[in-house]
Amino acid sequence: DAKTTQPNSMESNEEEPVHLPCNHSTISGTDYIHWYRQLPSQGPEYVIHGLTSNVNNRMASLAIAEDRKSSTLILHRATLRDAAVYYCILSGGSNYKLTFGKGTLLTVNP
Amino acid sequence: NAGVMQNPRHLVRRRGQEARLRCSPMKGHSHVYWYRQLPEEGLKFMVYLQKENIIDESGMPKERFSAEFPKEGPSILRIQQVVRGDSAAYFCASCSRASDTEAFFGQGTRLTVV
Repeated sequence: DAKTTQPNSMESNEEEPVHLPCNHSTISGTDYIHWYRQLPSQGPEYVIHGLTSNVNNRMASLAIAEDRKSSTLILHRATLRDAAVYYCILSGGSNYKLTFGKGTLLTVNP
Repeated sequence: NAGVMQNPRHLVRRRGQEARLRCSPMKGHSHVYWYRQLPEEGLKFMVYLQKENIIDESGMPKERFSAEFPKEGPSILRIQQVVRGDSAAYFCASCSRASDTEAFFGQGTRLTVV
């Protein structure tokens, strides 16, 4: 499975933007970049995914580097409810399963 | 359109008993995944199923664990002769097709073996 690297933890203040980085230097041409998050005591929740172009949805934006070896999940205005573990996952081609790493624990301060 | 439904939400079993965990995927989804999350650890892939087929069970323990996704009805994860080490949260996810779509997760079944 193609591997991703994320910081163990990050901290943000409420109402401020948050940029969560992910490195995936071994990404293949058919791999999609997925982001999920897991709030305490809940199942994972889809956030966003993309292939080559930047993506926006109601939850977040995904900025993908031109060489696709890294990406950044952007939460435009963090709220307390955004406190969660965020997972960056590669999936595509013959790799149909989502392989979760340790993710980034995001703490949002009021 | 109801989300992925898992039941029971909490399950307590004595050592040696059987545990049956059920997962009803979202309507129209034919792909189901099972994951296990041990306390304070990450999510570990267990098995990937399509209707009536096991596609990848590389994450399943070799003994006591089995999974099915019949043509009708929910997907079932079955754990025979449970041991304390099986205590964990078990999550099910479904999607309409693999790899390039979002997966929807259930709220999980928290199994406690006493």
